[in-house]
Amino acid sequence: EAGVVQSPRYKIIEKKQPVAFWCNPISGHNTLYWYRQNLGQGPELLIRYENEEAVDDSQLPKDRFSAERLKGVDSTLKIQPAELGDSAVYLCASSPTFEEADTQYFGPGTRLTVL
Amino acid sequence: AQRVTQPEKLLSVFKGAPVELKCNYSYSGSPELFWYVQYSRQRLQLLLRHISRESIKGFTADLNKGETSFHLKKPFAQEEDSAMYYCALSSEYGNKLVFGAGTILRVKS
Repeated sequence: EAGVVQSPRYKIIEKKQPVAFWCNPISGHNTLYWYRQNLGQGPELLIRYENEEAVDDSQLPKDRFSAERLKGVDSTLKIQPAELGDSAVYLCASSPTFEEADTQYFGPGTRLTVL
Repeated sequence: AQRVTQPEKLLSVFKGAPVELKCNYSYSGSPELFWYVQYSRQRLQLLLRHISRESIKGFTADLNKGETSFHLKKPFAQEEDSAMYYCALSSEYGNKLVFGAGTILRVKS
């Protein structure tokens, strides 16, 4: 079992450039989460999907961030344009069902550095 | 609002000493509390949850609603316990996890 897969693992870009992160959840997991983890802090939820529907995106900065989960499997998180403050680790997690939100399985994360 | 506070950034203990990682929360409803752990170069993973009332790797945690705390304890620390520990809270609706800032546990030989 590969677990949650994320790519790339590292990304360095200049400010104002676009960037995209990809996540493949554990097979059969309906719920998918994107978190942002700033240095020295715990993960903070950006968006949660139930299948292909975004059911909680209240913390997603919608002016520059967007996400999609086509066909309710893989998901992509995009930032356009990136700002210096976006430097962080972006974590993807999945869980079998909404009711089992506590049993979230995390990916390795993508470390974004914006110069 | 849901909030989790871990007052210690770093906790350093000697091998064999007792460990207590502190966690306090703020939530008006009936929360579910969890401890997640991240070992070096590994991904974040669930350690234990309060509803299970189980001991994992010798760690236990008791939910104290009066003190709004969920401290993680282990009577005798081992070097392999060295990791980053996050306390997390979920509402009774189980809709999302709110994490604390984390505590680094270093167990010295």
